[in-house]
Amino acid sequence: QSVLTQPPSASATPGQRVTISCSGGSSNIGRNTVNWYQQLPRTAPTLLIYTNNQRPSGVPDRFSASKSGTSASLGISGLQSEDEADYYCAAWDDSLNSLVFGGGTKLTVL
Amino acid sequence: QLQLQESGPGLVKPSETLSLTCTVSGGSISSVTYYWAWIRQPPGKGLEWIGSFYSSGRTYYNPSLKSRVTISVDTSKNQFALKLRSVTAADTAVYFCARGDIAVASDTFDIWGLGTMVTVSS
Repeated sequence: QSVLTQPPSASATPGQRVTISCSGGSSNIGRNTVNWYQQLPRTAPTLLIYTNNQRPSGVPDRFSASKSGTSASLGISGLQSEDEADYYCAAWDDSLNSLVFGGGTKLTVL
Repeated sequence: QLQLQESGPGLVKPSETLSLTCTVSGGSISSVTYYWAWIRQPPGKGLEWIGSFYSSGRTYYNPSLKSRVTISVDTSKNQFALKLRSVTAADTAVYFCARGDIAVASDTFDIWGLGTMVTVSS
């Protein structure tokens, strides 16, 4: 059971917008910043969003994220087939004194 | 462009020590703004942070693994290493090394190695 809770799956058709949630608590998301990683099939994760809502260079602006209280969300607009991947949220947990990841959300582009 | 490459045995016997090395190319492991980490992913499961090493010498470990883990750095070889003692089948995973940049953010890994699969089995 992951400290950060994500839905195991999400799906949408090309062109649509999809949102992936990440729910935590006061010791992690409530106090610290959230990062998002994308893991394409059979590859290493890549940084998608850092510090709650910042996109590294090269990440399309179709990807956005936000944080409110003890929850965070990742939004992908104009969905493309190449967005089919696993998405993970992550944050430092002050109580556990550990970096924690969400369980991951498998996004399917129908 | 900085790159990371994991290396080490793909098969480890139960109760033995898993040893992996991450070689850094295209940049210096001694840079004060970088930190280095190991992260693993059991087959079909999610990501688990193992620990991080900062150029200040501070090392942070996942409390669930802390008693069995050591991360060390060899600046002369531009490498950092992972040792995980007393392994069991539950330690079977793809092991990734990764880099973070303090100038960007903390606990944020912007460069990852390809990963190496380690199976614990007799």
